[in-house]
Amino acid sequence: DIQMTQSPSTLSASVGDRVTITCRASQSISSWLAWYQQKPGKAPKLLISKASSLESGVPSKFSGSGSGTEFTLTISSLQPDDFATYYCQQYNSYPWTFGQGTKVEFK
Amino acid sequence: QITLKESGPTLVKPTQTLTLTCTFSGFSLSTTQVGVGWIRQPPGRALEWLALIYWNDAKNYSPSLRSRLTITKDTSKNQVVLTMTNMDPVDTATYYCAHVPRFYYGLDVWGQGTTVTVSS
Repeated sequence: DIQMTQSPSTLSASVGDRVTITCRASQSISSWLAWYQQKPGKAPKLLISKASSLESGVPSKFSGSGSGTEFTLTISSLQPDDFATYYCQQYNSYPWTFGQGTKVEFK
Repeated sequence: QITLKESGPTLVKPTQTLTLTCTFSGFSLSTTQVGVGWIRQPPGRALEWLALIYWNDAKNYSPSLRSRLTITKDTSKNQVVLTMTNMDPVDTATYYCAHVPRFYYGLDVWGQGTTVTVSS
């Protein structure tokens, strides 16, 4: 199985901050990586696919980059609605695997 | 508009078999490359991918749960069913189904999830 490791596990930030979350794969996954946002009690929401392709309707303050084994999700200016948990997921090969999540919380 | 909704028991006893149904609308599981996956999330923990079925009936399973899982589809009813045998308290989780629009794509639309508790 491909292991996905996110860092940090928790990120304390303020409104307006630029934040970056890192996701590392245990082997190359090309660009077959998705990012999801999950709020408490809700289903995850797909933000980005193919490492950097923004899903329709997702604000452009979200951006993704990377390929191979290292990827990043950046939120350019954190707003109250962005405080949530973010997961990366590889779909390069089965079994699909998720990172352990990064919780973005108020500083 | 694509929607999915999970249904099934909220409480099962240890050793019982869990059967969950994902009923969807807005797409057809007979469309080339379309798939439906199942994912679970234990309370306070990360997401775990379980299984995936494609339009052509190709199936993939989590290796760690492979012996306990079966995924099937009923295209005429717009449903995907996941069964998990020999349930254990560690299987307590919220179970989600989600739409896969084509090969090499993520899970783009999710159901609201259904919470399953395993307890005697």
